[in-house]
Amino acid sequence: SQTIHQWPATLVQPVGSPLSLECTVEGTSNPNLYWYRQAAGRGLQLLFYSVGIGQISSEVPQNLSASRPQDRQFILSSKKLLLSDSGFYLCARRADYGYTFGSGTRLTVV
Amino acid sequence: GEDVEQSLFLSVREGDSSVINCTYTDSSSTYLYWYKQEPGAGLQLLTYIFSNMDMKQDQRLTVLLNKKDKHLSLRIADTQTGDSAIYFCAVRMDSSYKLIFGSGTRLLVRP
Repeated sequence: SQTIHQWPATLVQPVGSPLSLECTVEGTSNPNLYWYRQAAGRGLQLLFYSVGIGQISSEVPQNLSASRPQDRQFILSSKKLLLSDSGFYLCARRADYGYTFGSGTRLTVV
Repeated sequence: GEDVEQSLFLSVREGDSSVINCTYTDSSSTYLYWYKQEPGAGLQLLTYIFSNMDMKQDQRLTVLLNKKDKHLSLRIADTQTGDSAIYFCAVRMDSSYKLIFGSGTRLLVRP
C-alpha cells in the first residue's frame, strides 16, 4: 500500500497562531516526501521535499517550515500564521510513476 | 527553473472530445504526467508518458507529446459529466525527482 494519511482535513486558525499539519505514509521505507500548497483557484506550488529522516529542502522562502522526525512522517509547521498561508496543503510521496497524493488539508487563516 | 503552463479553462458538451494543452521549458524531462483533481480532493494520477514516446493511449485518454515544441496534450474522448474536474500537467525534473505542475485547466462538461 502506498496510502498517505493527512490530518486534519480542514482547519480554521487565527492570524498569529501556530500550525502543525501531519502526513504519514504507508508502504516502502525511505520514501521521498513532498509538501505542496494550492492557493484558491491556482496551481500547485512545491514548498518542501525530503529524501530521508532529518533531510529537508525548502523551495520557497516563507513563513513555513517542515520536519521529518521519522521515516514515514512529514510535518509542516508555522510559528505564526499569516493570512496568505491560507490554501489547500497536499502531502505526496514519490511512487513508481509520478507521485501519490494525500487527500489534503484545507487551511483557512482568519 | 522549469516552467509549465496550461490554459485555465475549457468547456465542452457531453459526448464531445476534450483537448487540454500544456507547454513546458525543460527539454531534459523524462517523464510527463496528467493528474485529475475533483473538488476538495487530492490529485489522482491519470496517465503518464515517457519522453521517448510520441503518443500513449489508455481507454478514452490519449496523450500526445511533441518534444521539439515542448508541448503535451491530453485528449479525452466521449467526455462525460464525471470528467468535470481540474487537470494538471506535471513534468519531472530528472536531476531532483521533483514534479513541477502547471496551474491546472478546469474542465466543465455541459449536459
